[in-house]
Amino acid sequence: GAVVSQHPSRVICKSGTSVKIECRSLDFQATTMFWYRQFPKKSLMLMATSNEGSKATYEQGVEKDKFLINHASLTLSTLTVTSAHPEDSSFYICSASPWDSMSGELFFGEGSRLTVL
Amino acid sequence: GENVEQHPSTLSVQEGDSAVIKCTYSDSASNYFPWYKQELGKGPQLIIDIRSNVGEKKDQRIAVTLNKTAKHFSLHITETQPEDSAVYFCAASMGSGGSYIPTFGRGTSLIVHP
Repeated sequence: GAVVSQHPSRVICKSGTSVKIECRSLDFQATTMFWYRQFPKKSLMLMATSNEGSKATYEQGVEKDKFLINHASLTLSTLTVTSAHPEDSSFYICSASPWDSMSGELFFGEGSRLTVL
Repeated sequence: GENVEQHPSTLSVQEGDSAVIKCTYSDSASNYFPWYKQELGKGPQLIIDIRSNVGEKKDQRIAVTLNKTAKHFSLHITETQPEDSAVYFCAASMGSGGSYIPTFGRGTSLIVHP
């Protein structure tokens, strides 16, 4: 199946700093990528839909100035957590679907564990 | 919008037993139903999916059934093994021709005891 790579897998940062997480589709092009947040023992919470070449679409309650999303190419989307605080500590997961997929299969990255001290 | 209910939240079985996880959905327009397996500290991995024009699909020890009339679908794992222990998510989406952002169930934590 298609491969989605996410980096870094773990990051620890100090409160007030910004952290960037990358999501790459390795063997397919994706006009749309999705960013999720997952709390321990909880389901996947969709944060935003990242659209190549245009602004991301954020879900209700997600601060777009806090979670900056850039989708500069058909294989790369980035999520930047700005001025991170301990409550931003979480597991962030991206996913992507091949642009020519008619069936909507989603492929997920390995996730990024963010810990804000 | 779509609403997906998943049961049970936790399932504990003995190695070799079968495990069944059930999901219901609300939007009759949904036509694509994937199942994901998430191991601890990793992203979800697609393990099997089914489309609305099919009633059942099987892949070795894993099978999925779909009842469009009742709007429910199930994951069946036979001859469970300890490595099957993980969290399983069902999802529903309009896979083509509309929004394909899936709606996920809350997940089932499967524990297979050796």
